[in-house]
Amino acid sequence: AQRVTQPEKLLSVFKGAPVELKCNYSYSGSPELFWYVQYSRQRLQLLLRHISRESIKGFTADLNKGETSFHLKKPFAQEEDSAMYYCALSAGSSNTGKLIFGQGTTLQVKP
Amino acid sequence: DSGVTQTPKHLITATGQRVTLRCSPRSGDLSVYWYQQSLDQGLQFLIQYYNGEERAKGNILERFSAQQFPDLHSELNLSSLELGDSALYFCASSVARGPTTGELFFGEGSRLTVL
Repeated sequence: AQRVTQPEKLLSVFKGAPVELKCNYSYSGSPELFWYVQYSRQRLQLLLRHISRESIKGFTADLNKGETSFHLKKPFAQEEDSAMYYCALSAGSSNTGKLIFGQGTTLQVKP
Repeated sequence: DSGVTQTPKHLITATGQRVTLRCSPRSGDLSVYWYQQSLDQGLQFLIQYYNGEERAKGNILERFSAQQFPDLHSELNLSSLELGDSALYFCASSVARGPTTGELFFGEGSRLTVL
């Protein structure tokens, strides 16, 4: 079965501390993985996708097929990073829309 | 606002009733996705339409149905409502057929409360 697991409901760190939001997936095929973010009073929006291998707002995520993980990392957290983060898996061919989300992790960055 | 528009924003109804949630995608987007977010649950994928045709189906109940019209807006119909159907229903749109080739843009959601 296709599944995305985010083990932490809440992650609280101090400003300037490193951040790692965990994401593990279960999928027998070749996965496409994404991180979506929802800031307070804003809509859910794409943060980054693994195929782009990009760094957005200082965040990076590396797909580790051996560990079936796609953890989101940032070396120095900022207060404006406080938000709800969702890891998502695209299962199936690129022509289907089955994007499976984890339950989300709330990141709280304290001053 | 040229983003994804969902109506109504809030809806309160009784068990056994039927409601229709409406979604207007971003201008130019051909795909529409529906998600359900219940209390303490993540986003559960319900269904996707692309240019009027159903493309992917998730764990959508038989009491639920959806369609995408020629003008590309979509409606999600929920019938014989139960207390457990209370949730936030999100619509998202994308220009592409699937999420790997196109970013999903989300609406603000329709909050359904079944009493």
